[in-house]
Amino acid sequence: AQSVAQPEDQVNVAEGNPLTVKCTYSVSGNPYLFWYVQYPNRGLQFLLKYITGDNLVKGSYGFEAEFNKSQTSFHLKKPSALVSDSALYFCAVRDPRGGGADGLTFGKGTHLIIQP
Amino acid sequence: DAEITQSPRHKITETGRQVTLACHQTWNHNNMFWYRQDLGHGLRLIHYSYGVQDTNKGEVSDGYSVSRSNTEDLPLTLESAASSQTSVYFCASSELRDNSPLHFGNGTRLTVT
Repeated sequence: AQSVAQPEDQVNVAEGNPLTVKCTYSVSGNPYLFWYVQYPNRGLQFLLKYITGDNLVKGSYGFEAEFNKSQTSFHLKKPSALVSDSALYFCAVRDPRGGGADGLTFGKGTHLIIQP
Repeated sequence: DAEITQSPRHKITETGRQVTLACHQTWNHNNMFWYRQDLGHGLRLIHYSYGVQDTNKGEVSDGYSVSRSNTEDLPLTLESAASSQTSVYFCASSELRDNSPLHFGNGTRLTVT
């Protein structure tokens, strides 16, 4: 079975500081990993994904994520936080051997709050 | 631009009533999904479809049904609404490839009284 853990319910960062939102996963094989962002009263928006290749993945709005196989982690990062980055962030994992889209598992989400 | 539209955005219904939530996408995607979002649970998959006439049960399918008669629409029906089904429901779609990201609608907030 596959699973995703987002250990922090909330992360507080001052504007202009670097931010990290943590995600760890558990799958049997090599994972497909995703980050999504949700703004109030909206659906989730895709930020970035890791499929294979470079461990550092760049995505939308200046976000990036680092895949670490030995630590089974896929932390979301941004060098300089903006107040507009405040939102709910979800990590998701899919085991490619699990077949199609039914294999996507989401974490419980992390509230990111950027303080001016 | 392509999009996913969910309707209604808000719905209040009574226990025992049948309710249908609409989902319409113009991405021309084969894959469509219904999730529910609850505090402390994140997103949980209710039903999904890989194409016309195809439907599959997800993690929390009890009390829900879907039908897929065309590519664009995947309505979600609550056969007999229960208070435990009070939630925010999201429809999503994706391309066939299993590393494709999901595109989400803006959700339907359902309250069962």
